[in-house]
Amino acid sequence: QKEVEQDPGPLSVPEGAIVSLNCTYSNSAFQYFMWYRQYSRKGPELLMYTYSSGNKEDGRFTAQVDKSSKYISLFIRDSQPSDSATYLCAMMITGNQFYFGTGTSLTVIP
Amino acid sequence: EAQVTQNPRYLITVTGKKLTVTCSQNMNHEYMSWYRQDPGLGLRQIYYSMNVEVTDKGDVPEGYKVSRKEKRNFPLILESPSPNQTSLYFCASSILASYNEQFFGPGTRLTVL
Repeated sequence: QKEVEQDPGPLSVPEGAIVSLNCTYSNSAFQYFMWYRQYSRKGPELLMYTYSSGNKEDGRFTAQVDKSSKYISLFIRDSQPSDSATYLCAMMITGNQFYFGTGTSLTVIP
Repeated sequence: EAQVTQNPRYLITVTGKKLTVTCSQNMNHEYMSWYRQDPGLGLRQIYYSMNVEVTDKGDVPEGYKVSRKEKRNFPLILESPSPNQTSLYFCASSILASYNEQFFGPGTRLTVL
């Protein structure tokens, strides 16, 4: 079993839609939960991170962590064509290894 | 400009021919890491370094070596590359080992024939 499982996608939505991206994990020692965005032919860049269960909002993006279910989500409101990218969830045990999901490819159609 | 640089960006080589992919960061970051990215498998950590002369294995270290003699540089060495090491490689760095935000380099696409 992989440490981190991510919905494979690809996902295609119309502009303005709400997008939901999800990951599950198996290791209860994970303490930090992150979402990275990767545009084509580029390295990933950090979008959001959370430390505890609950919601964290940043503009159109909301990250949600449910430690009891070992489930994390990223919601994108009012999606834009510029949001078209691959979204990677990532998790970390403090000061240690990072574990990434396989990524979900998102296309927002104008 | 704050950045992580990798060289070369593209490399085609043959089985068994030793190669080094360089990684350098100009942000005085303590933590550096190497990943490989493969379709369907995502980003997998190869090795990481929490500081100079401190390196640890990640998820997929077999066939790779690293060294951290200086804070800014973290080269990835393939002593005897094999076709299953054909992949897209990323170097990343962050201020501290416990800090969430990693800054990634532009990637090195390696093909081993």
